[in-house]
Amino acid sequence: ETGVTQSPTHLIKTRGQQVTLRCSSQSGHNTVSWYQQALGQGPQFIFQYYREEENGRGNFPPRFSGLQFPNYSSELNVNALELDDSALYLCASSVTNTGELFFGEGSRLTVL
Amino acid sequence: KQEVTQIPAALSVPEGENLVLNCSFTDSAIYNLQWFRQDPGKGLTSLLLIQSSQREQTSGRLNASLDKSSGRSTLYIAASQPGDSATYLCAVGSAGTYKYIFGTGTRLKVLA
Repeated sequence: ETGVTQSPTHLIKTRGQQVTLRCSSQSGHNTVSWYQQALGQGPQFIFQYYREEENGRGNFPPRFSGLQFPNYSSELNVNALELDDSALYLCASSVTNTGELFFGEGSRLTVL
Repeated sequence: KQEVTQIPAALSVPEGENLVLNCSFTDSAIYNLQWFRQDPGKGLTSLLLIQSSQREQTSGRLNASLDKSSGRSTLYIAASQPGDSATYLCAVGSAGTYKYIFGTGTRLKVLA
């Protein structure tokens, strides 16, 4: 059984640029959530996708957007990058009956 | 608004000791609670999931309990080993929402 995979693992961008992060769900999981984890903090919920629709959103501005594809993989897009966007971005997949989250290894974004 | 607190923030113990990590939450209307382990710079590994109707869950040397009425969960680690050194995070899934609220974690170091 393949777990959650994320790409890229590390990337460096400059302020004002745009970034796309990718996530492949664990087999059989139909729900994908994205979290942002700043250094020394717990993860913060960005949004969740279910059946290709945004299913809930945390306290993040509209420049954070996402997609879920028919195969349940997902993308997180961040426009107009700011220095504070530097963080570990975590993708988690789940099944709706238990809600248990399974995380990938994350994408480490550094904004200069 | 759900808030999750973990105490202590850091803990250092000698190998072989039994230990308890604490997680408290402010809103008892939870859907479930999940404990995770995170190694430095890595993603989150699911340890235990407790549904709101359950009182405890066990996996190997780990036991997690849930007391909704007092807003508390504890993670008990028996016979700690150096390989248990990591940050332990609890996350609360609230009823009627799709997001988990995380604590800031307990950083555990088990000394050989």
